[in-house]
Amino acid sequence: GAVVSQHPSRVICKSGTSVKIECRSLDFQATTMFWYRQFPKKSLMLMATSNEGSKATYEQGVEKDKFLINHASLTLSTLTVTSAHPEDSSFYICSARDDASGSFKETQYFGPGTRLLVL
Amino acid sequence: KQEVTQIPAALSVPEGENLVLNCSFTDSAIYNLQWFRQDPGKGLTSLLLIQSSQREQTSGRLNASLDKSSGRSTLYIAASQPGDSATYLCAVYTGANSKLTFGKGITLSVRP
Repeated sequence: GAVVSQHPSRVICKSGTSVKIECRSLDFQATTMFWYRQFPKKSLMLMATSNEGSKATYEQGVEKDKFLINHASLTLSTLTVTSAHPEDSSFYICSARDDASGSFKETQYFGPGTRLLVL
Repeated sequence: KQEVTQIPAALSVPEGENLVLNCSFTDSAIYNLQWFRQDPGKGLTSLLLIQSSQREQTSGRLNASLDKSSGRSTLYIAASQPGDSATYLCAVYTGANSKLTFGKGITLSVRP
């Protein structure tokens, strides 16, 4: 089955530092990946759509200069939280679409998430 | 704007009970609806996906139904077990904006 990994699974950093989270599709190619953020007892909120070889599309209210997304290959997208602040502490989940899904191209496969704690 | 609602936010039942989790959405122009399971601190596991042209999907003890016109879906869990304890999320895919919209989830606790 389609597997998506995220690294690291958990990270603690100091305020002002930058943190990079990787999202990989392990057994399929993904031109499109998505980054979500989840607060406790809240829905997953889509932050941005990551497109291989082009700029990411950010949702309204998401600062693109703070949450840098790079999708340099068909199996890897990275999210960098720049100048991290305690309010950035959250659970970040990525997902990926399988390019070979055909009629089910809208199906997203989710990674296990990354817990970020900014002190 | 699509909104997905799941009520109640939490549910506690004794083991063996059959139960129904509800999901409603405001815009019926969906491509599909998906039910996910999320264990504490973990990612999402897809349980069932129902295309807009389908009425229901079954997998083991799980059955999901979709009534697109009324904007509702239910997830039926038969003979619940303690291992079913988790948060169950409903999400709809709206083609107009090509994105998944999630509900807040229902946290289920099955007591032994």
